[in-house]
Amino acid sequence: QKEVEQNSGPLSVPEGAIASLNCTYSDQGSQSFFWYRQYSGKSPELIMFIYSNGDKEDGRFTAQLNKASQYVSLLIRDSQPSDSATYLCAVNRYNFNKFYFGSGTKLNVKP
Amino acid sequence: GAGVSQSPSNKVTEKGKDVELRCDPISGHTALYWYRQRLGQGLEFLIYFQGNSAPDKSGLPSDRFSAERTGESVSTLTIQRTQQEDSAVYLCASSSSSTQTYGYGYTFGSGTRLTVV
Repeated sequence: QKEVEQNSGPLSVPEGAIASLNCTYSDQGSQSFFWYRQYSGKSPELIMFIYSNGDKEDGRFTAQLNKASQYVSLLIRDSQPSDSATYLCAVNRYNFNKFYFGSGTKLNVKP
Repeated sequence: GAGVSQSPSNKVTEKGKDVELRCDPISGHTALYWYRQRLGQGLEFLIYFQGNSAPDKSGLPSDRFSAERTGESVSTLTIQRTQQEDSAVYLCASSSSSTQTYGYGYTFGSGTRLTVV
């Protein structure tokens, strides 16, 4: 079983819609959770992090965490074509030295 | 520097040759990480340096892989006797001690694309 699982997609949504990206993790001891965006041929960039159960909102982005279900999601409201990228979920365990990354979900936002 | 700098950006090498990849972290960042990303895959942790502490090498896939870092400066990742399965993008990231606890100080370089033919 992989540490972090993501649906590879592609997930296609029309411009202006809500995109919902999901991630599950295997280690119940995981403490912090991150979403990175990676454009094709570029390096990942951090867009959200969350530690506590519930929702965390930042602009058009909302991260949701449910530790009981070992589930973290990212919602993108009013999706734009510029949001088209691969979104990587990353999980940090009992130490902060290593982040375990999922394989990413490719998002296509159609104009 | 302003960002994490990696060189070369692309490297094509013959199977069996040794390669050396370089990472220059953001000035003042004490932590440095190497990750590998195969085509269409997620990031695979390789090694972590924190200041002058012993590095965490637990992610290195074989003894053909090694990395060095002197103090808080440049790091080099060396792959000996390269194999075709080593073909990937090698990403370096750095973070400062004040932000790494929560991870959001993690800044990636643009990567080195290694192709073994």
